[in-house]
Amino acid sequence: SAVISQKPSRDICQRGTSLTIQCQVDSQVTMMFWYRQQPGQSLTLIATANQGSEATYESGFVIDKFPISRPNLTFSTLTVSNMSPEDSSIYLCSYKTVRTDTQYFGPGTRLTVL
Amino acid sequence: QKEVEQDPGPLSVPEGAIVSLNCTYSNSAFQYFMWYRQYSRKGPELLMYTYSSGNKEDGRFTAQVDKSSKYISLFIRDSQPSDSATYLCAMSALVAQKLVFGQGTRLTINP
Repeated sequence: SAVISQKPSRDICQRGTSLTIQCQVDSQVTMMFWYRQQPGQSLTLIATANQGSEATYESGFVIDKFPISRPNLTFSTLTVSNMSPEDSSIYLCSYKTVRTDTQYFGPGTRLTVL
Repeated sequence: QKEVEQDPGPLSVPEGAIVSLNCTYSNSAFQYFMWYRQYSRKGPELLMYTYSSGNKEDGRFTAQVDKSSKYISLFIRDSQPSDSATYLCAMSALVAQKLVFGQGTRLTINP
């Protein structure tokens, strides 16, 4: 499987600010996804990052709050906008290729909002 | 009702024991079933992937799917302290669709 990395690995942010998380895969992949894992909870899909078009958001998640970019087949960003303490969570990106039927995850970004 | 139910544990067993982890689901459209292992402060790591009902074995791990009962299991034989982690079941209706995860079971193997 390809190597997938995320930056930053963790951050502590102030309420009302925004943070952009980067996800890099070391080879071209078909699909990239962004998940949220709240404390003590499981993973919930935020959106599918589509290369060359707008992301596809899941119910309960909106583009104004979680803008996503995917400029090419190896890179994506997720921005958490106008943060509140409720946004404190682990944010994970994942990818899928045409040769795989499942997803591989990055190490996650641990976000704390004060 | 959640689409996927998984007992969060915690589950603590002695080294060498056989561990059984389970998930039930309500959506009969789910066709693809996965088990991920997540160590503390790490991303989920794919352990097992199955498509059809029945058993799939990989080393000390066996994944079992019973679509008629909407029930999946992961068995760990000869458990080791290094198996201590949170185990997440996940499933999807189509290959390219989103994964729906269980809550995860926190497992501790005691030396």
